[in-house]
Amino acid sequence: AQSVAQPEDQVNVAEGNPLTVKCTYSVSGNPYLFWYVQYPNRGLQFLLKYITGDNLVKGSYGFEAEFNKSQTSFHLKKPSALVSDSALYFCAVRDSNTGGFKTIFGAGTRLFVKA
Amino acid sequence: NAGVTQTPKFQVLKTGQSMTLQCAQDMNHNSMYWYRQDPGMGLRLIYYSASEGTTDKGEVPNGYNVSRLNKREFSLRLESAAPSQTSVYFCASSPTPDTQYFGPGTRLTVL
Repeated sequence: AQSVAQPEDQVNVAEGNPLTVKCTYSVSGNPYLFWYVQYPNRGLQFLLKYITGDNLVKGSYGFEAEFNKSQTSFHLKKPSALVSDSALYFCAVRDSNTGGFKTIFGAGTRLFVKA
Repeated sequence: NAGVTQTPKFQVLKTGQSMTLQCAQDMNHNSMYWYRQDPGMGLRLIYYSASEGTTDKGEVPNGYNVSRLNKREFSLRLESAAPSQTSVYFCASSPTPDTQYFGPGTRLTVL
């Protein structure tokens, strides 16, 4: 079975500081991993994905994520946070072997960037 | 391009009433999905349609039915609404099973 965990309900960071939003996953096969962002009263927007290849994936708005197979993690990072990055972030996983069309989403982490 | 559109944006129902949530996409995507979002639980897949003419159950299909009317449209029906179905409902579409594009959501309250 597939599962994904986001251990932090909320992350607080000062503007200009680096940010990390954590994600760990569990799949029986090879993982396809995703990060999405949700702004208030909006649908989710795709940020980045890992399918195969380089473990460091770069995405929209300066975000990046590092795939770590041994730690089954896919943490989202940004070198310098902006107030406008404040939003709800979702990690998601699909098992490339058995997941079919089913993507499993984490519970979400709320990022608050203080000016 | 409008992307993924959903109607209505808000709806209040009484227990036992029925309604249909509409979703349409103009990106020529093969696959479409219905999710519900509840606080602290992320998004849970209700039903999906891998391609026109097919539908399959997701994690939480009980109490819902779907119709893939054509390639553009995928509707979600609540036959007899219950308070447990109070949620925000999102429709999404994708060209492959990977990157999904989401609509703005429908906020449903069942009294």
